Amino acid sequence: DTTVKQNPRYKLARVGKPVNLICSQTMNHDTMYWYQKKPNQAPKLLLFYYDKILNREADTFEKFQSSRPNNSFCSLYIGSAGLEYSAMYLCASSRKGRYEQYFGPGTRLTVL
Amino acid sequence: GDSVTQKEGLVTLTEGLPVMLNCTYQTIYSNAFLFWYVHYLNESPRLLLKSSTDNKRTEHQGFHATLHKSSSSFHLQKSSAQLSDSALYYCALSPGYQNFYFGKGTSLTVIP
Repeated sequence: DTTVKQNPRYKLARVGKPVNLICSQTMNHDTMYWYQKKPNQAPKLLLFYYDKILNREADTFEKFQSSRPNNSFCSLYIGSAGLEYSAMYLCASSRKGRYEQYFGPGTRLTVL
Repeated sequence: GDSVTQKEGLVTLTEGLPVMLNCTYQTIYSNAFLFWYVHYLNESPRLLLKSSTDNKRTEHQGFHATLHKSSSSFHLQKSSAQLSDSALYYCALSPGYQNFYFGKGTSLTVIP
């Protein structure tokens, strides 16, 4: 099974409210990634977990948090959503980090 | 810094004509991996091709690409476009560490 699952597929949030997105994979991949994708822009890497080590991009360091309670699950947490967080959020996983990434279907977040 | 450039945002082709989608990249890492991902509507992005070997052609599902380190290019080609090739194509770079950088994507539409 090479499936990466994301929940929910669509999320509506109010400005200032928290948002929690979930990703799971059963391929025993050691690395899990979160990307933000806005229209006409490249998917932007927000953070990734290599095993239990979290790496966050410098320019989004304070905006996104994440947890990985076990090898299969990874969450993306926004403490206080702003309008600029409206985007597609893609989760991906890979083995050893630099090779093929398997993507989930994405969660479309709309902040109102 | 590391980056990927896909010049064309939209490409429209008639079925049967050759496909060429451009990808150039910047990195200081000589052992970088380059990837092409394809994203069909309502599906997850999936890997189409990958390479880290200079001047070696890599092929999959009728598509091919050759990594040219001298020109920092990894263009995607196909000899004859099919209607089913209509999708969003991303070029991506993984430098000498676990990060991934994506281009903005090229939306390919094949018409009869």
